[in-house]
Amino acid sequence: QVQLVQSGGGVVQPGGSLRLSCVASGFNFRSFGMHWVRQAPGKGLEWVAFIRSDGTQKYYADSVKGRFTISRDNLKKTLYLDLKRLRADETATYYCAKDLGATMVGGGAFDVWGQGILVSVSP
Amino acid sequence: SYELTQDPAVSVAMGQTVKITCQGDILRGDFASWYQQKPGQAPLLVIHGRKHNRPSGIPDRFSGSSSGDTASLTITGAQAEDEADYYCNCRDGSSNHVVFGGGTKLTVL
Repeated sequence: QVQLVQSGGGVVQPGGSLRLSCVASGFNFRSFGMHWVRQAPGKGLEWVAFIRSDGTQKYYADSVKGRFTISRDNLKKTLYLDLKRLRADETATYYCAKDLGATMVGGGAFDVWGQGILVSVSP
Repeated sequence: SYELTQDPAVSVAMGQTVKITCQGDILRGDFASWYQQKPGQAPLLVIHGRKHNRPSGIPDRFSGSSSGDTASLTITGAQAEDEADYYCNCRDGSSNHVVFGGGTKLTVL
């Protein structure tokens, strides 16, 4: 069964840090690019970051660049997102998502999604 | 930064056809994908790629098309279970950022 299982969310104070994890199963993890997407309560989807299948290319939304770091461990079939200097307006459900290709070919189509995990930034 | 514009809300009578559109300059350079999201669930890919492919398990009443700076998702014979939020996205080739549209809330009457 193809799936992504997320962990690591929770409540953090403004300015704090958190690490999100996303464990893949049922597909060849090392062959596909991976993304993080977030959704604030009641709002739309916002792309956060992408990492190429081999980890050699990473791209970030302007709003998180310099504070968030995407990484992956292909041996552990795990994707990570390190969040630093969090702001209150970054309270959201964070999703990991699998790209259809290794390098975001085809416009960035996400065919497998994690269950989502809530990050709440609050004093 | 680039944007993708969607109508915030659309309604359709059950069994009728509805088209949801997504407009933006970056659609001239790459392909749109479409996602369905129901409350409390992760998004689900319904259409993707140059040929507007449907992933396995997506009913054939869902189809996609594009022209110039506009991509469209059409549901032919809408069903009650199609009531959801629909999002488009596309890659901006100049920055390799992915852009999502603001979403369209579809109501099936």
